[in-house]
Amino acid sequence: DAGVTQSPTHLIKTRGQQVTLRCSPKSGHDTVSWYQQALGQGPQFIFQYYEEEERQRGNFPDRFSGHQFPNYSSELNVNALLLGDSALYLCASSLEQHGYTFGSGTRLTVV
Amino acid sequence: KNEVEQSPQNLTAQEGEFITINCSYSVGISALHWLQQHPGGGIVSLFMLSSGKKKHGRLIATINIQEKHSSLHITASHPRDSAVYICAVRQHADKLIFGTGTRLQVFP
Repeated sequence: DAGVTQSPTHLIKTRGQQVTLRCSPKSGHDTVSWYQQALGQGPQFIFQYYEEEERQRGNFPDRFSGHQFPNYSSELNVNALLLGDSALYLCASSLEQHGYTFGSGTRLTVV
Repeated sequence: KNEVEQSPQNLTAQEGEFITINCSYSVGISALHWLQQHPGGGIVSLFMLSSGKKKHGRLIATINIQEKHSSLHITASHPRDSAVYICAVRQHADKLIFGTGTRLQVFP
């Protein structure tokens, strides 16, 4: 039973570019949450998707957007990349009030 | 002030020692999670608690809802326990708020 799969594992982008990160949830999970973790910090909530809609959003600008597909997989898009967007992006899937399963993350470096 | 505070931030121990990591929170929660993060970045969920105490192997987690405090204990610590341990609280709106983590190093 595969857990949460994220791709790519590492990515280097230039300031101003756009990036798309992908997440496949654990089998049976219907909710996907995205988190940004800067070096030495705890993860910060970006947004959560359920039934293909954004259900909640953290304090992130509109440059951060997402999507959830009918098979529950999800994408995180970031436009007009800034140096400060360099971080580990974590995806977590869940089902109702059960526990979360986290992916290994995508490490994004903006140069 | 962060909504979730952990202490200590860094912890070193000799193999075999008993370890305690503390977490205090200031918001209403539906559950509290203890997570383990290794240097590669991947996060493993250790416990989800809404009351009382849970035990898994050498790990024990407790929570006091009235005092808004939780502890993670590791008995007979081992170098493979070296990792960052993160406390995260789940609000009623199903959002996780994370602490900044406790970096544990266990030396042989």
